[in-house]
Amino acid sequence: GAGVSQTPSNKVTEKGKYVELRCDPISGHTALYWYRQSLGQGPEFLIYFQGTGAADDSGLPNDRFFAVRPEGSVSTLKIQRTERGDSAVYLCASSPGLAGGELFFGEGSRLTVL
Amino acid sequence: DQQVKQNSPSLSVQEGRISILNCDYTNSMFDYFLWYKKYPAEGPTFLISISSIKDKNEDGRFTVFLNKSAKHLSLHIVPSQPGDSAVYFCAASGPTGGNMLTFGGGTRLMVKP
Repeated sequence: GAGVSQTPSNKVTEKGKYVELRCDPISGHTALYWYRQSLGQGPEFLIYFQGTGAADDSGLPNDRFFAVRPEGSVSTLKIQRTERGDSAVYLCASSPGLAGGELFFGEGSRLTVL
Repeated sequence: DQQVKQNSPSLSVQEGRISILNCDYTNSMFDYFLWYKKYPAEGPTFLISISSIKDKNEDGRFTVFLNKSAKHLSLHIVPSQPGDSAVYFCAASGPTGGNMLTFGGGTRLMVKP
């Protein structure tokens, strides 16, 4: 596709359930980022992949959050034992991986934990 | 510890006038700064950027100014148009971290016809 694609666009789940959010980056982009945006705040960094490996996962809030990118393209953000505080828009972005460049964002996956 | 701050949560401007959005940062290692624009239910879209070796970058109606000594940047939109109404995020990155961006909290701009 032309842009970053994220699915699902909306996800409603119950507290304690497991959730997977998928990101399909722009073709050829080696770098992929996950951000979380809570209401009224700016995007908050979660994790960054360069190729298949997580280059920086310092933003993951706790061990309930995990992300993979097994083939260096599509990535999945996994949240175990969801809590109400996990409710947010999860944004994925990709970039060509060159220094000083912009990130291209998807439309986000809105997660609501009841 | 907010490394990038946008102290004005909202700004209202009359169509045709100048909009000035401000951003402050604390991390002196940041060397690249960007502005993103976000409409409801859409992802942020890139607007304009500036490298720390410059103090001004212009693109049509949009100009970004960087004052490194004050750790301050601003986005000027002139003339403002109703379609500019959106949330604007300031973001910064450093020489390490692979273009990882640190965002401010955003400023909601409303341009009134």
